[in-house]
Amino acid sequence: SQKIEQNSEALNIQEGKTATLTCNYTNYSPAYLQWYRQDPGRGPVFLLLIRENEKEKRKERLKVTFDTTLKQSLFHITASQPADSATYLCALDITDSWGKLQFGAGTQVVVTP
Amino acid sequence: EAQVTQNPRYLITVTGKKLTVTCSQNMNHEYMSWYRQDPGLGLRQIYYSMNVEVTDKGDVPEGYKVSRKEKRNFPLILESPSPNQTSLYFCASSFGRADSPLHFGNGTRLTVT
Repeated sequence: SQKIEQNSEALNIQEGKTATLTCNYTNYSPAYLQWYRQDPGRGPVFLLLIRENEKEKRKERLKVTFDTTLKQSLFHITASQPADSATYLCALDITDSWGKLQFGAGTQVVVTP
Repeated sequence: EAQVTQNPRYLITVTGKKLTVTCSQNMNHEYMSWYRQDPGLGLRQIYYSMNVEVTDKGDVPEGYKVSRKEKRNFPLILESPSPNQTSLYFCASSFGRADSPLHFGNGTRLTVT
């Protein structure tokens, strides 16, 4: 079965720096990979989606890369702000038929002023 | 406002007492899904529905039931709750394409004593 790995340790970063999170998966290569943000006690909020034929996707200060050879996605937050403090989840579909979306456990980001 | 609404937000119950957590979306989404979130385990899919009267098991369906009689509603039923079902539950919906982002509710925190 598919396994999704995200850094379990919190990422502590200083305001203004770039935070980089990793999402590694095994076996089946997804057609799409998504990133979500989750604040404590709230539901995840969609941020970005990247397709298997896309190397990079950007949205404001966010950048996602997708390397199907390495089976890895990187998520970057540039010029980080304290408001970026949250847990970030990667998610991918694990079967040929869309429906079973699997999430990683998430990485907590803490941005200090 | 486009949203996924779950009720209740908090629920404390006793072992064996049947309960239903409701989920409703107002975005005309075909796809709906239930997840549970536990510390260190991340989001795990319980059941999903591709459309009305079409449901399928996720990764952890044991002890749960769902129904999809109307497009907007997707209730989660625990016929005989047990303490290991104590968790944070999220309902989500999307347009049902593999590249459609999920919209999550704000969660239901369930405690089974």
